Amino acid sequence: GQNIDQPTEMTATEGAIVQINCTYQTSGFNGLFWYQQHAGEAPTFLSYNVLDGLEEKGRFSSFLSRSKGYSYLLLKELQMKDSASYLCAVINSNYQLIWGAGTKLIIKP
Amino acid sequence: DAGVTQSPTHLIKTRGQQVTLRCSPKSGHDTVSWYQQALGQGPQFIFQYYEEEERQRGNFPDRFSGHQFPNYSSELNVNALLLGDSALYLCASSLTPVYNEQFFGPGTRLTVL
Repeated sequence: GQNIDQPTEMTATEGAIVQINCTYQTSGFNGLFWYQQHAGEAPTFLSYNVLDGLEEKGRFSSFLSRSKGYSYLLLKELQMKDSASYLCAVINSNYQLIWGAGTKLIIKP
Repeated sequence: DAGVTQSPTHLIKTRGQQVTLRCSPKSGHDTVSWYQQALGQGPQFIFQYYEEEERQRGNFPDRFSGHQFPNYSSELNVNALLLGDSALYLCASSLTPVYNEQFFGPGTRLTVL
């Protein structure tokens, strides 16, 4: 089957750094997305990785290792507004998006 | 530039009824995907429409059907509603069927009683 694993919930402190991991086992790989979803709202795009390495975009960075089936999202200088769920999604060989259940990130002052 | 719009925002139905949800894609996008998201879960892919054809389908029964119109807007129909169909239904549009960034609408919250 196809599976994407993320921690269910993480807690971090305002101003700190947090890393959210995602491991995947899918039928083929054509890219990986990270999305942010605030409660009751639609997901919004954060990053896209298709090659190994780190992609940096402001306070957010995303890393991919295709050989390990592993990605992480790194959030720096955490702000209260970063409290949300973070979804990892993989494009498989059929170009279907397979989604993880999401990681709920709680930011404390 | 209008983003993805969905209607209605909320809907309450009873078991056995039928429902139609609507989606208008972001301007310039011709591909629409539909997802079901249960509380606390990630989105589950239902199907994708491109050029008025169902291009891809996830693991959902035939009770779930859809349509895409010439203006790229789309409908999701669910027949014989079950309690388990209660969820947030998300529509996402993209520039091409081969995924790049997807833009999501605000969703329709369906409650089946």
